[in-house]
Amino acid sequence: AQSVTQLGSHVSVSEGALVLLRCNYSSSVPPYLFWYVQYPNQGLQLLLKYTSAATLVKGINGFEAEFKKSETSFHLTKPSAHMRDAAEYFCAVRRTNAGKSTFGDGTTLTVKP
Amino acid sequence: DGGITQSPKYLFRKEGQNVTLSCEQNLNHDAMYWYRQDPGQGLRLIYYSQIVNDFQKGDIAEGYSVSREKKESFPLTVTSAQKNPTAFYLCASSIEGEGRTTGELFFGEGSRLTVL
Repeated sequence: AQSVTQLGSHVSVSEGALVLLRCNYSSSVPPYLFWYVQYPNQGLQLLLKYTSAATLVKGINGFEAEFKKSETSFHLTKPSAHMRDAAEYFCAVRRTNAGKSTFGDGTTLTVKP
Repeated sequence: DGGITQSPKYLFRKEGQNVTLSCEQNLNHDAMYWYRQDPGQGLRLIYYSQIVNDFQKGDIAEGYSVSREKKESFPLTVTSAQKNPTAFYLCASSIEGEGRTTGELFFGEGSRLTVL
């Protein structure tokens, strides 16, 4: 079984401030982990993924995430928020040998000027 | 450009009618998926298919049906048995297979279904 918990359905930051979106997972086998971003009325696009290589993963648009096995976490960060980062963010997990991804409920990021 | 095309983008349906959502991909991906998205509930898996002529139920398959007659196409039918069909529907695909699995999903732009 696998599951994802995203802490905080809404996060608000000021432009230029640190962005931290939290994700905890459970998986019975080593997982693949992903962060996706969704803009209004659009599909999701991949921000970054962890596939058992480096534990610190860098993605697009200046985002990065760190896989911490001991904490079963995969939090998403960005040092300095920009207005264009306002969107909904989804954390997802899947087993390395199975085709189904399980998604968290999403976190809506608001960036204040 | 390669990608996933969903149509229609917006669809209105009267209660009791079946409706079919189209999903076509030219990425040569093996696996295809249908997700339903409701506000505050993330994405829930309806059906998925890893090879042609085979598909499996996801977490919320009741009231839906699919077919996978071609690698490129994975249409979803929302039947009248689906009690609350108004939602945003997302189709996705992924590369699968020995030594080729990347795990990431490639999504279409979505279809918004509203039942009147």
